[in-house]
Amino acid sequence: GQQLNQSPQSMFIQEGEDVSMNCTSSSIFNTWLWYKQDPGEGPVLLIALYKAGELTSNGRLTAQFGITRKDSFLNISASIPSDVGIYFCAGQTRIPSGNTGKLIFGQGTTLQVKP
Amino acid sequence: DTEVTQTPKHLVMGMTNKKSLKCEQHMGHRAMYWYKQKAKKPPELMFVYSYEKLSINESVPSRFSPECPNSSLLNLHLHALQPEDSALYLCASSHRTNTEAFFGQGTRLTVV
Repeated sequence: GQQLNQSPQSMFIQEGEDVSMNCTSSSIFNTWLWYKQDPGEGPVLLIALYKAGELTSNGRLTAQFGITRKDSFLNISASIPSDVGIYFCAGQTRIPSGNTGKLIFGQGTTLQVKP
Repeated sequence: DTEVTQTPKHLVMGMTNKKSLKCEQHMGHRAMYWYKQKAKKPPELMFVYSYEKLSINESVPSRFSPECPNSSLLNLHLHALQPEDSALYLCASSHRTNTEAFFGQGTRLTVV
């Protein structure tokens, strides 16, 4: 089945540093989404990307939908302690039999920020 | 308002119990989802409802029974679960099945 390869698996950085993580797949996706999840909570949507090549920012976050539609990256600038959490990429694909879509998640990137 | 509300937040149940998880959204979304998440793993899709009709069942065991009584509510009925079913159960909704999904805070289920 379709899989997303997310890297790195974990990062331990100093406060103020920039962070970059990415997802790749052998399959094409119609939509790329980036979520952040805190322990014991549900994922929170950070950025949604709908068009190949699209570059979107949300505050200190910037994400891009790859031209080939098979990859996406997320950058966090000037990290702060509250950026700590697990970041998931998710690709949305459409089921050929209809308009139903499936959201497939990457394995996650655990971010730790040292004050 | 991008809120998806799940109840209860925590649930402990025995293997012979019957319980239900509830999910509610008032964003006018017509697609709703159940996901299961084990510790340190990504969410795994269980069911997709589109316009109150079940459109995807990811080969989930019959001890999990979803129900969508109306466009705002989604239930997950649980019966005869196993300890390995213990997990965080997440509900999500979206305008349509190919747009961004918003998640609830989850129900932490423990089967004893």
